[in-house]
Amino acid sequence: GENVEQHPSTLSVQEGDSAVIKCTYSDSASNYFPWYKQELGKGPQLIIDIRSNVGEKKDQRIAVTLNKTAKHFSLHITETQPEDSAVYFCAASPYNNNDMRFGAGTRLTVKP
Amino acid sequence: ETGVTQTPRHLVMGMTNKKSLKCEQHLGHNAMYWYKQSAKKPLELMFVYSLEERVENNSVPSRFSPECPNSSHLFLHLHTLQPEDSALYLCASSQGTGDMWRTNEKLFFGSGTQLSVL
Repeated sequence: GENVEQHPSTLSVQEGDSAVIKCTYSDSASNYFPWYKQELGKGPQLIIDIRSNVGEKKDQRIAVTLNKTAKHFSLHITETQPEDSAVYFCAASPYNNNDMRFGAGTRLTVKP
Repeated sequence: ETGVTQTPRHLVMGMTNKKSLKCEQHLGHNAMYWYKQSAKKPLELMFVYSLEERVENNSVPSRFSPECPNSSHLFLHLHTLQPEDSALYLCASSQGTGDMWRTNEKLFFGSGTQLSVL
């Protein structure tokens, strides 16, 4: 089955700086890669996703890149703000939601 | 809010107790999920229901018993739990279209029930 590794486990940046979180996956059949943000006391919320026929996707300050050959994908947050502080999870799935596997999470802290 | 409501938010129970977690979604979705979230570990899928029929059971111990009386409500019945079952239990829903077994759908999570087993 799929195995997803996520790094780093904690990340601290200054407000206005960029943050990058990286994930690797093992199943070459994986074709769907979502990113979830979990704020304190809340459930994960989808912030961006990418499918394997696309190498990069942007949504305002958030972007995700995918390298299928190397089997890794990354989340990029530019111009970070204190409200970006949360735990971020990556996931990879070869077929459907039943097969989706999550990374262990990255706790991002944005210092004002 | 995500449209998925879980109750209670916190639950403390002894190993001999029986309790139930409740999830309700107001999104008109047809698929509902239970996930377990333990500290510093990836989310673990426990159960999936599509149109009230259980379609996935990821080798979850029988002390966890799900119930889906209709497409808007999902329960997780708990009995004789162990301390290692302490975790955040998350409910999620997705649209559950006819193609859901051939594609991925966006998951909408509730805020979870923080369970402590003493």
